[in-house]
Amino acid sequence: EIVMTQTPLSSPVTLGQPASISCRSSQSLVQSNGKTYLSWLQQRPGQPPRLLIYEISNRFSGVPDRFSGSGAGTDFTLKISRVEAEDVGVYYCMQGAHFPRTFGQGTKVEIK
Amino acid sequence: EVQLLESGGGLVQPGGSLRLSCAASGFTFSSYDMSWVRQAPGMGLEWVAGISTDGSLRDYADSVKGRFTISRDNSKNTLYLQMNSLRVDDTAVYYCANFGGGHWGQGTLVTVSS
Repeated sequence: EIVMTQTPLSSPVTLGQPASISCRSSQSLVQSNGKTYLSWLQQRPGQPPRLLIYEISNRFSGVPDRFSGSGAGTDFTLKISRVEAEDVGVYYCMQGAHFPRTFGQGTKVEIK
Repeated sequence: EVQLLESGGGLVQPGGSLRLSCAASGFTFSSYDMSWVRQAPGMGLEWVAGISTDGSLRDYADSVKGRFTISRDNSKNTLYLQMNSLRVDDTAVYYCANFGGGHWGQGTLVTVSS
């Protein structure tokens, strides 16, 4: 099973300031088709998860451009360029390259 | 508009069974692999099971293997999860998800308690 490790687990941020979350996988997520199946999800309080980023860096439909993803191989990063109040919640990385699918522990983003 | 609507959750005693359903609309259901993901109270996300487009390939988390069965009916645009021999630690909100299309349902709560 691929282990996904996120840091930090908690991120207090001032409104308008950037935030960054790291995710490391225990094995490469690169598939034979050359694609890397690493996604980022956002879960606001009381809501289901919502896809933000897929294949490392592709923003899903309707996701604001203040969210960006980067990385390669086993190391990935989600950045929020300027945190807004609606960004409060828990963020998860997820690998879709191997079964079983696995998630990071989650990073709680909150406003200072 | 894409919708994934789960149903079938509820309170069940340890050792009991439940069948969850997920009704899909707004996309070509038969073209996507589907999954069930659960979230225990106050905890993170755990992938439970996945099924290929035609139902020929299925995989399960070790924690539910031999107890849960995922299936689908493409003629009804519906995904299922049959849960048997339920345990207290199966208590969670269960989400239906289309990872390839980026869509998640609202979830249905399963509580296993005596």
